[in-house]
Amino acid sequence: SQTIHQWPATLVQPVGSPLSLECTVEGTSNPNLYWYRQAAGRGLQLLFYSVGIGQISSEVPQNLSASRPQDRQFILSSKKLLLSDSGFYLCAWTPGTAIYEQYFGPGTRLTVT
Amino acid sequence: DQQVKQNSPSLSVQEGRISILNCDYTNSMFDYFLWYKKYPAEGPTFLISISSIKDKNEDGRFTVFLNKSAKHLSLHIVPSQPGDSAVYFCAASHFGNEKLTFGTGTRLTIIP
Repeated sequence: SQTIHQWPATLVQPVGSPLSLECTVEGTSNPNLYWYRQAAGRGLQLLFYSVGIGQISSEVPQNLSASRPQDRQFILSSKKLLLSDSGFYLCAWTPGTAIYEQYFGPGTRLTVT
Repeated sequence: DQQVKQNSPSLSVQEGRISILNCDYTNSMFDYFLWYKKYPAEGPTFLISISSIKDKNEDGRFTVFLNKSAKHLSLHIVPSQPGDSAVYFCAASHFGNEKLTFGTGTRLTIIP
């Protein structure tokens, strides 16, 4: 069966520090991968998605970037965190094209202080 | 532009009664709709979906209804249980689109 991992579960970082969040999926190959953010009291905002290694689509201009160095690995990064980057970050995957259901990881709670 | 809207931020329902969560959309290209349930500090879990070729889909206590002419869908939970207390998101997509568009969520509270 497929599983999705995210780490760390929680993170407290000072403003201006770098960020690296990692997501990996097991039990499947060539998944579509997604990064979302849920700000306090808000819905799910799609940040990035990837349909293959090295292929990244950005949904909103911001202080973050994403990379997909391996088929089942998706990384969310920032060079310098802002206070507004605080939120709950979620990684999700789908088996591929024409499969709408996305399956989410446990999330990372990021607090920028 | 919010293409998927959940106009009720919260809903309280007595245990054992029916919970009805509503969702409206504006993009007529959407042809697939999903509901997710989310507990605090956890990722959303997929609940139920419906294709635009149907107007109803049922899975146990959960039923989703789709009214294409009104661009409206609803999730019915019968009977409501305390474990159903969570935030519910509706989402939509269309053929050829790799993305889901989510609503802002409705917090459902089941009162024992």
